[in-house]
Amino acid sequence: DQQVKQNSPSLSVQEGRISILNCDYTNSMFDYFLWYKKYPAEGPTFLISISSIKDKNEDGRFTVFLNKSAKHLSLHIVPSQPGDSAVYFCAASAGSGGYQKVTFGTGTKLQVIP
Amino acid sequence: DAGITQSPRYKITETGRQVTLMCHQTWSHSYMFWYRQDLGHGLRLIYYSAAADITDKGEVPDGYVVSRSKTENFPLTLESATRSQTSVYFCASRGVGNEQFFGPGTRLTVL
Repeated sequence: DQQVKQNSPSLSVQEGRISILNCDYTNSMFDYFLWYKKYPAEGPTFLISISSIKDKNEDGRFTVFLNKSAKHLSLHIVPSQPGDSAVYFCAASAGSGGYQKVTFGTGTKLQVIP
Repeated sequence: DAGITQSPRYKITETGRQVTLMCHQTWSHSYMFWYRQDLGHGLRLIYYSAAADITDKGEVPDGYVVSRSKTENFPLTLESATRSQTSVYFCASRGVGNEQFFGPGTRLTVL
């Protein structure tokens, strides 16, 4: 049972345009969401996060939107750059304090075309 | 080196052999994790540790053993490797925030 779903395995975008990566979740107990970026032969690196008390969080070119009623979040990258080409993982966790199990999606491979 | 490191980076072994993957972090983070990444599955948690001498199972623990005698080290052992354990393994640590910091990964092939 995949509780965090990234239905698009890949996405191609022209340099300078907006990239939109989507993520859906099924567990209503999830209250914290993260995006990780992964380059080949490297480990994932944290990109941006959002708590369920917010519906938007912005960090430079990266913005994450959360729609709790739809159980959907999206990552917007504006403008997209060739260096953004990577695999992006959506992740979600429930609870606070101590250990919170993090559930990862299957990833979306973004290609930014120069 | 500061951060989180894994060794070896690449390993080829045979079915039935014991293999240990090493993970070392220099931040003194309490939490450490082992994940495997497989096509179509994303990252799946194998084991985690909340502190030295405290470990617990994750989503896919069968066939794996962990220990954590020191805060900075979290080795993962495959007691008798099987072909289904061919994968890329990532170690991660977490401090006070929610984000995890990942090592570079170990690509393991079981023949």
